[in-house]
Amino acid sequence: AQKVTQAQTEISVVEKEDVTLDCVYETRDTTYYLFWYKQPPSGELVFLIRRNSFDEQNEISGRYSWNFQKSTSSFNFTITASQVVDSAVYFCALRGSARQLTFGSGTQLTVLP
Amino acid sequence: DGGITQSPKYLFRKEGQNVTLSCEQNLNHDAMYWYRQDPGQGLRLIYYSQIVNDFQKGDIAEGYSVSREKKESFPLTVTSAQKNPTAFYLCASNPYAPSGRATGELFFGEGSRLTVL
Repeated sequence: AQKVTQAQTEISVVEKEDVTLDCVYETRDTTYYLFWYKQPPSGELVFLIRRNSFDEQNEISGRYSWNFQKSTSSFNFTITASQVVDSAVYFCALRGSARQLTFGSGTQLTVLP
Repeated sequence: DGGITQSPKYLFRKEGQNVTLSCEQNLNHDAMYWYRQDPGQGLRLIYYSQIVNDFQKGDIAEGYSVSREKKESFPLTVTSAQKNPTAFYLCASNPYAPSGRATGELFFGEGSRLTVL
């Protein structure tokens, strides 16, 4: 069985602050993929990043960065200089040998002006 | 534009009624999925289909039914047997690589919010 834990239910920050969203996963598979999705108020989930289990390089995309550490089974997501438009629910997800994604419970991020 | 279209966006149902949620994709994707989202519980898989005329139960299939008669369509019926159907329903799809393995990234529709009165 696989499991994804997002312990932070809600986070509030003031605009321009940096914020890190935590994701911890459990799987017995040696090959797996990790994902982050953003769900704005409109409801549609937007894909942000996919990372496979053999690639532990951190990744930066604009204000977004991801820190993948297999030793701690974590795949954390940092938003630098947050903006009001970053307000959304963020989901971490895992795909192992099965063809379905297992999602975490999500973190509601509110960025205040 | 390519994408996934879900309808209706909002739906109200009386207890005891069956309702069908539509999901259509023009991405030529092989696999399609239905998820249910409840506050604080993330997304839970209801049903999925990897090819036409075939589908599999997910984690919470009881009280739901699906069909996959066409590659682009995967409707979900919420039956009267579903005890707590009020939720946000999301349809998704993804393509398969030539190797037959899913590429992993899901593409989502905008969702349908069902409320039972």
